Amino acid sequence: DTGVSQNPRHKITKRGQNVTFRCDPISEHNRLYWYRQTLGQGPEFLTYFQNEAQLEKSRLLSDRFSAERPKGSFSTLEIQRTEQGDSAMYLCASSLARIGLAGAYEQYFGPGTRLTVT
Amino acid sequence: GNSVTQMEGPVTLSEEAFLTINCTYTATGYPSLFWYVQYPGEGLQLLLKATKADDKGSNKGFEATYRKETTSFHLEKGSVQVSDSAVYFCALGVEKLTFGTGTRLTIIP
Repeated sequence: DTGVSQNPRHKITKRGQNVTFRCDPISEHNRLYWYRQTLGQGPEFLTYFQNEAQLEKSRLLSDRFSAERPKGSFSTLEIQRTEQGDSAMYLCASSLARIGLAGAYEQYFGPGTRLTVT
Repeated sequence: GNSVTQMEGPVTLSEEAFLTINCTYTATGYPSLFWYVQYPGEGLQLLLKATKADDKGSNKGFEATYRKETTSFHLEKGSVQVSDSAVYFCALGVEKLTFGTGTRLTIIP
């Protein structure tokens, strides 16, 4: 049983550098979500995909952030010109949305990538 | 927009005590409600969910009822164990989820 995986698990970078994170969802899941969690807070929604289409982006997602899911399978989240305020845990989740069935679908979370910007 | 207000922690209880973690929400539309749990060193796991008013979600002895009249989804367990020590998050949504700030629960033997 393979769940959601994320790589790397930890990333330390200097301010101004670019970083890229990868998320591999559960294989049959067509939706993929990115969240950010800072210490002592709950996760905050960043963006989500259905297959390869990016359906929604949060106002939190500045133009330094870009996410892709080119073939509808894995996804990457890139942060350009990192700032110290970007230090956080970046969480990926996936779910299976069924055609014609409205409502919320259970989201399964990966272990996260912890980013530290020095 | 949607928001979730969760009981502030930390909460410390003795083993076998009764647990309630309060969660209230504001929402537009008809979101589903969830409780997620994060055990030490692990990722978020779905604990239970309810998709419409008056639904009760339950799992591992935990329960929560979707109360539209009081806009609440309080988490309860009749007898907690040391292994229930974790951070609990209340969340709501349809596509994207809005989370509360989390409640850290510690159970002492």
